[in-house]
Amino acid sequence: QVQLVESGGDLVEPGGSLRLSCAASGLPFSESFMSWIRQAPGKGLELFSYISGSGDTIYYAESVKGRFTISRDNAKNSLYLQMNSLRAEDTAVYYCARVADSSIVYWGQGSLLTVSS
Amino acid sequence: DVVMTQSPLSLPVTLGQPASISCRSSQSLVHSNGNTYLSWFQQRPGQSPRRLIYKVSNRDSGVPDRFSGSGSGTDFTLKINRVEAEDVGVYYCMQGTHWPGLTFGGGTKVEIK
Repeated sequence: QVQLVESGGDLVEPGGSLRLSCAASGLPFSESFMSWIRQAPGKGLELFSYISGSGDTIYYAESVKGRFTISRDNAKNSLYLQMNSLRAEDTAVYYCARVADSSIVYWGQGSLLTVSS
Repeated sequence: DVVMTQSPLSLPVTLGQPASISCRSSQSLVHSNGNTYLSWFQQRPGQSPRRLIYKVSNRDSGVPDRFSGSGSGTDFTLKINRVEAEDVGVYYCMQGTHWPGLTFGGGTKVEIK
């Protein structure tokens, strides 16, 4: 079955950096649009970045543009999110998710990022 | 980006009674290919979201048939025929018609009275 396993969440000081990883299995990873979705404590869902299977299509929401970088390694079936210049408002659970047919078909279990001094 | 507005924010329901959640989009969700990319997700307490419905009314595998989706254009509805205890959680709609920004509604919390 499909598994998406995020890792790398941590407590980081404002202005700091962190890299999240997502290990995928059970799906045609190199053919899959993959996304990062976050959920601030007690709040709703925000799809803020996605990347096509080949990596040639990338999207960032304005809230993270210029600070976050999405990437993938198809040989390792892995998705990454490099986060720089972190702010308190980036505190959230970060989900790795597969996009298919203009919907989210699979979600990871989430990784918690806390930005605080 | 397309704005998705859900109502109500909170929905107390008696076990065995029906529940209905509304989702409205700021633009029509009919794609130029004729499809309408409106999905519904359930997030139980402490869990990741899971998809229930895609393209307005198609139930995902394993989703009980008490869940149904309907609507068109800018107005959509998720109905739970007879609410069970396991249905407690937050429900989100999401539009996938207008790229690049795929957007979610703010969520509706379903709880048992």
